[in-house]
Amino acid sequence: DQQVKQNSPSLSVQEGRISILNCDYTNSMFDYFLWYKKYPAEGPTFLISISSIKDKNEDGRFTVFLNKSAKHLSLHIVPSQPGDSAVYFCAAWGTSYGKLTFGQGTILTVHP
Amino acid sequence: ETGVTQSPTHLIKTRGQQVTLRCSSQSGHNTVSWYQQALGQGPQFIFQYYREEENGRGNFPPRFSGLQFPNYSSELNVNALELDDSALYLCASSSQRLEQYFGPGTRLTVT
Repeated sequence: DQQVKQNSPSLSVQEGRISILNCDYTNSMFDYFLWYKKYPAEGPTFLISISSIKDKNEDGRFTVFLNKSAKHLSLHIVPSQPGDSAVYFCAAWGTSYGKLTFGQGTILTVHP
Repeated sequence: ETGVTQSPTHLIKTRGQQVTLRCSSQSGHNTVSWYQQALGQGPQFIFQYYREEENGRGNFPPRFSGLQFPNYSSELNVNALELDDSALYLCASSSQRLEQYFGPGTRLTVT
């Protein structure tokens, strides 16, 4: 039962343009949603999060949008830079579950 | 401040063998979580330890077991290895369970 899904395995974007990564979830009991970035041979690093009571959170070039009615969230990166090339994981946290549930990941490639 | 470290980096084992993976948590963190990341998939929660006790478990069989020590470092033990156990094993430490800091992982190959 895949409760968190990232349906796009990969995304290719030109430097300076916007990158939009998408994530869908099925469990309405999740309290927080997080995005992690992973480079090869490194562990995932926390990027940005959003509470389920918010619809937007912004941190520099990164903005996460949450649409609770559609059970959908997205990560916007503006402007995209070649150093953003990595695997991006969407994750969900439920206080009652006490664990992170991850999506399958999306490989982002930003071309110079 | 030292981050999360894991050892070994890579490991090759034969089906049926047992393996122990180790994790040193970040200074000040009392909670350790273990995840299995199969190729092309996201990390899957195995279990979590808080102050030396198991504090939550994912959908993994009992041959996956763990320990947490008084210094909050942790071990993941897998008995009777199967080919499907081949994966990247990630350890994450936290002081508040939501904000987890991951180590670089141990790549386990079972042949």
